[in-house]
Amino acid sequence: QITLKESGPTLVKPTETLTLTCTFSGFSLSSSEVAVGWIRQPPGKALEWLALIYWDGTGRYSPSLKNRLTITKDTAKNQLVLIMTDMDPVDTATYYCAHGLELWAFDYWGPGTPVTVSS
Amino acid sequence: DIQMTQSPSTLSASVGDRVTITCRASQSISDWLAWYQQKPGKAPKLLIYRASTLQSGVPSRFSGSGSGTEFTLTISSLQPDDFATYYCQQYNSYSTFGQGTRVEIK
Repeated sequence: QITLKESGPTLVKPTETLTLTCTFSGFSLSSSEVAVGWIRQPPGKALEWLALIYWDGTGRYSPSLKNRLTITKDTAKNQLVLIMTDMDPVDTATYYCAHGLELWAFDYWGPGTPVTVSS
Repeated sequence: DIQMTQSPSTLSASVGDRVTITCRASQSISDWLAWYQQKPGKAPKLLIYRASTLQSGVPSRFSGSGSGTEFTLTISSLQPDDFATYYCQQYNSYSTFGQGTRVEIK
């Protein structure tokens, strides 16, 4: 049974760096052809893909945010981390991590973690 | 970047109706398209991947079709549990989601 859960601060100040952790079970991120992504959703708005990491540690980033994002994994802890720098109020959203079916179609999602950017 | 445009933005329908949602890509994405259902306060649920493959456990009243730039999600007979927002997602070149289609009770 695959499960994922996001964790991190619920409130960050403008210009600060956000660090989110996704803790998962039921699969290994060191197994071939496995990927996990991050997606966010501002209140009342659409989903936005942010980043994805492959089993070999390769990261892929949204072109519009690539300069602000870093995704890493800790296979031993069954965790991955998303770092987003220079946070702005427009980054206020619920942030989800999700397991990739055929790498990029997301079949298992965490419940999401809300992040508010405000001074 | 590949842009995904869904239509309509909102759809009013009754239980038992046949419902079709369209998703258009700004360039060809072959069949690298997924559909999701999302209810308020919940994470999205994968319905269809590879444009037409039904995800395990999803009712057969949901179906997907299309390739290239135009895709459709069809619900053959709308059920009370189907009132939700639906998103398409391309994954031919990284990933992009559509803006969503809200299916509401008529």
